[in-house]
Amino acid sequence: EPEVTQTPSHQVTQMGQEVILRCVPISNHLYFYWYRQILGQKVEFLVSFYNNEISEKSEIFDDQFSVERPDGSNFTLKIRSTKLEDSAMYFCASGAWTEAFFGQGTRLTVV
Amino acid sequence: GQQLNQSPQSMFIQEGEDVSMNCTSSSIFNTWLWYKQDPGEGPVLLIALYKAGELTSNGRLTAQFGITRKDSFLNISASIPSDVGIYFCAGQAGSSNTGKLIFGQGTTLQVKP
Repeated sequence: EPEVTQTPSHQVTQMGQEVILRCVPISNHLYFYWYRQILGQKVEFLVSFYNNEISEKSEIFDDQFSVERPDGSNFTLKIRSTKLEDSAMYFCASGAWTEAFFGQGTRLTVV
Repeated sequence: GQQLNQSPQSMFIQEGEDVSMNCTSSSIFNTWLWYKQDPGEGPVLLIALYKAGELTSNGRLTAQFGITRKDSFLNISASIPSDVGIYFCAGQAGSSNTGKLIFGQGTTLQVKP
């Protein structure tokens, strides 16, 4: 069964460093998303991406965040200068705009 | 901003019992989705609802899209130990056309064998 895959599963980084989280969405999907989940809390929307551009972003998705689909298969989330409060699980999702299938997540720990 | 209120926050039940949880919103939603999340994993889609009044089943799970489009419930019948996890409702608001999902706070389900 097709699935969304994310790498790495766990990333530890120093505050101020740049990180890139990678995702391979399900191949025939057209909509791509990033969500995050702080430990013990609900899942929060970060950004949606369609037709090679951002279609919507949340207040969390400030200038430190960017997304890219550099080729036909990968979808990346970059955080330019990480802060302690960026520590969370980051989930990539893909699908039709009526539903979304999630990857296993990347646990980002900023120290 | 739009919010989903999910209840109960947690449930501790005996194996074999039925479970019900629900989500409500002050605004209209076009789509309701129910996900299950195991520790350290991503949310797994259980049921998707697209029309007001729709009632959909997936094995022992049944979910309904409220007629007012402002609520949804999920029922699990004859619970088993592997039903343990966190259940999230998620919805796509009526004003959105980007696929953005808003999540409820989750219901933590524990099943005693």
